[in-house]
Amino acid sequence: SQQGEEDPQALSIQEGENATMNCSYKTSINNLQWYRQNSGRGLVHLILIRSNEREKHSGRLRVTLDTSKKSSSLLITASRAADTASYFCATTSGSRLTFGEGTQLTVNP
Amino acid sequence: ETGVTQTPRHLVMGMTNKKSLKCEQHLGHNAMYWYKQSAKKPLELMFVYSLEERVENNSVPSRFSPECPNSSHLFLHLHTLQPEDSALYLCASSHFPGQPQGGNTIYFGEGSWLTVV
Repeated sequence: SQQGEEDPQALSIQEGENATMNCSYKTSINNLQWYRQNSGRGLVHLILIRSNEREKHSGRLRVTLDTSKKSSSLLITASRAADTASYFCATTSGSRLTFGEGTQLTVNP
Repeated sequence: ETGVTQTPRHLVMGMTNKKSLKCEQHLGHNAMYWYKQSAKKPLELMFVYSLEERVENNSVPSRFSPECPNSSHLFLHLHTLQPEDSALYLCASSHFPGQPQGGNTIYFGEGSWLTVV
């Protein structure tokens, strides 16, 4: 299986609800990042969390990292229809950046 | 606008054609990447260039030929492609991992949609 696996593969929620996506990985990492991709577009960097950090916030985004469990979560609070996109985690180990398969988030108005 | 520009955005080519994808970055980065994104598959890293030298080539068929003439430009030359090569090709750039400015945040272009008929 892939380094950096997102869970769930697809998530559908109502506007205003919170969305939580999880990422698991296998090897030790330097940092973990989350990216967003609107349909048919390039990926946009959202947030980076280093291996010695446990939690990070950016606007409506909250990322946690548990290196003992080799997992991370991305929480989007008060979701909006415009948050509909695919979300990818990417782990850095050495000089290698590896992406997971992504979670497709749909926020219904 | 991410600072990474890809052209063309859409390309349809026959299996016997030769075409090229172009990428330009205006971010002062020294590393550039080509990724392939196919439906229902993870992003596949194809090539990595650092300071215009290829540092990674992930078993990509020779019908894909990259070129990096300088740190701001990256090309992907395509010839005798197969229908299964149809995908979104993403260019990206960053400061090379391990350097002081590093942190591995990479900036993507909008991608080039390639259809091989």
